[in-house]
Amino acid sequence: EVQLLDSGGGLVQPGGSLRLSCEASGFTFSNYVMSWVRQAPGKGLEWVSGVSGTGANTYYADSVKGRFTISRDNSKNMLYLQMHSLTAEDTAIYYCAKHLGGLNTHFDYWGQGTLVTVSS
Amino acid sequence: DVVMTQSPASLAVSLGERATINCKSSSSSGNYLAWYQQKPGQPPKLLIYWASARESGVPDRFSGSGSGTDFTLTISSLKAEDVAVYYCHQYYSVPFTFGPGTRVDIK
Repeated sequence: EVQLLDSGGGLVQPGGSLRLSCEASGFTFSNYVMSWVRQAPGKGLEWVSGVSGTGANTYYADSVKGRFTISRDNSKNMLYLQMHSLTAEDTAIYYCAKHLGGLNTHFDYWGQGTLVTVSS
Repeated sequence: DVVMTQSPASLAVSLGERATINCKSSSSSGNYLAWYQQKPGQPPKLLIYWASARESGVPDRFSGSGSGTDFTLTISSLKAEDVAVYYCHQYYSVPFTFGPGTRVDIK
């Protein structure tokens, strides 16, 4: 059974940093592109970043480019999102999501999400 | 970026009646289009992918159609458990984008 366990969220001050983690199980992690998708309170879904199976290729939304870094450790079946220079606009539930296969495939599994709150 | 729009923003349908949600992309997305259902406090759940392929375990009252720029999600006979927000999503080009969502309620 595919499982994605998001963690690492919390309260952080504006300008601060946070690292999110996603522990994957139930599938061959290195074979799949993974992404982060966020949802601000009461709002819609926004794709944030994606990473290829090997980790060699990364992709970002303009809203986070230069501030967020996606990475993965295939030996540990872990996905990460390092976030810097956080602002109130980054407040959201962050979901890790597994692609069906390559980059241009849909998300077939989602984590439960981890809440990031940026506030002083 | 491909901008996704959905209509209506919300709709209320009687139990057993049909619900239709439309999704339009600002440029062609081919058939790289998925639909998700989201209930309060839960992550999105995949319903439809490749515009019309139903995910395993999804009831056959859910169907998708369309290609290019115009897509439709149809719930043929609404059940109480279908109350949710529905999102379309294009995965044709990066940045991947979602529609703003359509809230479905019972009339």
